[in-house]
Amino acid sequence: AAGVIQSPRHLIKEKRETATLKCYPIPRHDTVYWYQQGPGQDPQFLISFYEKMQSDKGSIPDRFSAQQFSDYHSELNMSSLELGDSALYFCASTHAGDRVNNEQFFGPGTRLTVL
Amino acid sequence: AQSVTQPDIHITVSEGASLELRCNYSYGATPYLFWYVQSPGQGLQLLLKYFSGDTLVQGIKGFEAEFKRSQSSFNLRKPSVHWSDAAEYFCAVGQYNTDKLIFGTGTRLQVFP
Repeated sequence: AAGVIQSPRHLIKEKRETATLKCYPIPRHDTVYWYQQGPGQDPQFLISFYEKMQSDKGSIPDRFSAQQFSDYHSELNMSSLELGDSALYFCASTHAGDRVNNEQFFGPGTRLTVL
Repeated sequence: AQSVTQPDIHITVSEGASLELRCNYSYGATPYLFWYVQSPGQGLQLLLKYFSGDTLVQGIKGFEAEFKRSQSSFNLRKPSVHWSDAAEYFCAVGQYNTDKLIFGTGTRLQVFP
């Protein structure tokens, strides 16, 4: 079965640079979620989109922005990168019918390293 | 505020032994509960979930979990652990009509042959 696709899988950036992470949800899924998992930490919710509109927001820094496109893929844009942004970034997706139950299917993650 | 507690940071068991990973949650209403497994450098794979109904839920890879409202717990169990079960296990709670999952801090399982 098709899964959530994230690209790139690994990304290395310098401080103050920008990064763009991409997420392609499971086919027919219309809701996308972004999570950040720091080293040795649990995943923290950043932001979510439903039908291309932001639906919920967590602890996402102002330096980060995200959007969902008409084909339901999503991009997380990160600017003025800091060392503390080094983390594993997960994207998850679901179908609207499962959204109320919070059932989310996770991608493999993008590991961002900021030097 | 909603929260999830996994009291055991690290558990070591012998292959073939039984396993129980503890999870306690704090949430006013009936929660949606999940267990995810994460192998090193990998994503989160859903093991099982509880929404309502039967409080004993079966998952993949031979795992099961029991929802106990009186104890605010959702412990994960497996009768016989395999070496391939070594991984990080996360308990998570979802809230009705919001999007975010709240994760516990995880339990790292190590399996000895």
